[in-house]
Amino acid sequence: DQQVKQNSPSLSVQEGRISILNCDYTNSMFDYFLWYKKYPAEGPTFLISISSIKDKNEDGRFTVFLNKSAKHLSLHIVPSQPGDSAVYFCAASDATSGTYKYIFGTGTRLKVLA
Amino acid sequence: NAGVTQTPKFRVLKTGQSMTLLCAQDMNHEYMYWYRQDPGMGLRLIHYSVGEGTTAKGEVPDGYNVSRLKKQNFLLGLESAAPSQTSVYFCASSSRFGPAGAGELFFGEGSRLTVL
Repeated sequence: DQQVKQNSPSLSVQEGRISILNCDYTNSMFDYFLWYKKYPAEGPTFLISISSIKDKNEDGRFTVFLNKSAKHLSLHIVPSQPGDSAVYFCAASDATSGTYKYIFGTGTRLKVLA
Repeated sequence: NAGVTQTPKFRVLKTGQSMTLLCAQDMNHEYMYWYRQDPGMGLRLIHYSVGEGTTAKGEVPDGYNVSRLKKQNFLLGLESAAPSQTSVYFCASSSRFGPAGAGELFFGEGSRLTVL
């Protein structure tokens, strides 16, 4: 049972345009979410996080939106750059109940075209 | 800054052989994790630890064992390797988990294991 889903395996975007990556979850207890970026042959690196008490968090070109009622979050990258081409993972956690673990989605491969 | 270090980076095993992957972190983090990454499957949690001397099962624990004898080290063992365990393994660590929120995970560079 996949608790965190990224239904788009891949996405192509023109340089300078907006990239929108989506993530859905099924566990209503999840209250903390993170996005990671992964280049080939490297470990994932942290991008941005959001707590369930917020519906938006921004960091430079990256913005994460959370819709708790829909159990959906999205990562917006504006403007997209060729260096953003990577696999993006969302992860969710039930931080308050003591489970101490993150569940990851299957990833979306973003390709930014120059 | 070492962060999270995994050894070895690459290993080829024959079916039935055993091996141990070592993860070391120098950030004094309490929480440590082992994930595997397979095409189309994302990152799946194998086992994790919430402190020295503790371990717990994740999503896909079968065929693996772990130990956390020292706070800075988290070992992942395969007692009898199977081709289905061919994967890239990532170790991660984190500093906090609780009502104030969860800390980000810091990942190692990965260990590529092939079981023939």
